[in-house]
Amino acid sequence: EVQLVESGGGLVHPGGSLRLSCAASGFTVSSNYMTWVRQAPGKGLEWVSVIYSGGTTYYADSVKGRFTISRDNSKNTLYFQMNSLRADDTAVYYCTRARGGSSGWYFDYWGQGSLVTVSS
Amino acid sequence: DIQLTQSPSFLSASVGDRVTITCRASQGTSSYLAWYQQKPGKAPKLLIYGASTLQSGVPSRFSGSGSETEFTLTISSLQPEDFAAYYCQQLNSYPPSFTFGPGTKVDIK
Repeated sequence: EVQLVESGGGLVHPGGSLRLSCAASGFTVSSNYMTWVRQAPGKGLEWVSVIYSGGTTYYADSVKGRFTISRDNSKNTLYFQMNSLRADDTAVYYCTRARGGSSGWYFDYWGQGSLVTVSS
Repeated sequence: DIQLTQSPSFLSASVGDRVTITCRASQGTSSYLAWYQQKPGKAPKLLIYGASTLQSGVPSRFSGSGSETEFTLTISSLQPEDFAAYYCQQLNSYPPSFTFGPGTKVDIK
């Protein structure tokens, strides 16, 4: 059974750092495209980052230069290092598996979400 | 980047109603559109990908259609568990990024 279990969220002051983890089971993280999607309180969904199976990474402009997506193949775990956090980074962060091909790209499995609150 | 709009933003419906949600893209996006359902406090759930392919395990009352710039999600007979928010999503090719529509909330009349 495919599962994504997130951890690492919490309250952090503006300018601070936090690292989210997403432990996967039922499939191999390094063989798939993995993403982070966030949702600010009461708002819609916003894609923020992707890591390809080959290791290439991309970021939304809103987090570029501040956040880093990575993975540990030995632990089958995805990470999201968030630095220089701002109040508008406050959101629930979801890790997802991305699938794609002739039917486009979509997110077929989601973690339970990890709340990050940036406040003084 | 391609922008997505959804209509309506909110709709009130009764159990058994036929419900249609529209997603429009600012540029043609072939058939690369997915739909998600999100209930309060829960992670989104994939319903449809490739504009019309039902994800495994999703009830057949859900269907999707459309191409290029206009897509629809239809619920043929609304059930109590279908009251939720629905989002469309597509891929921007380069640089790679993913865009979500603003969402449609389906509420009980």
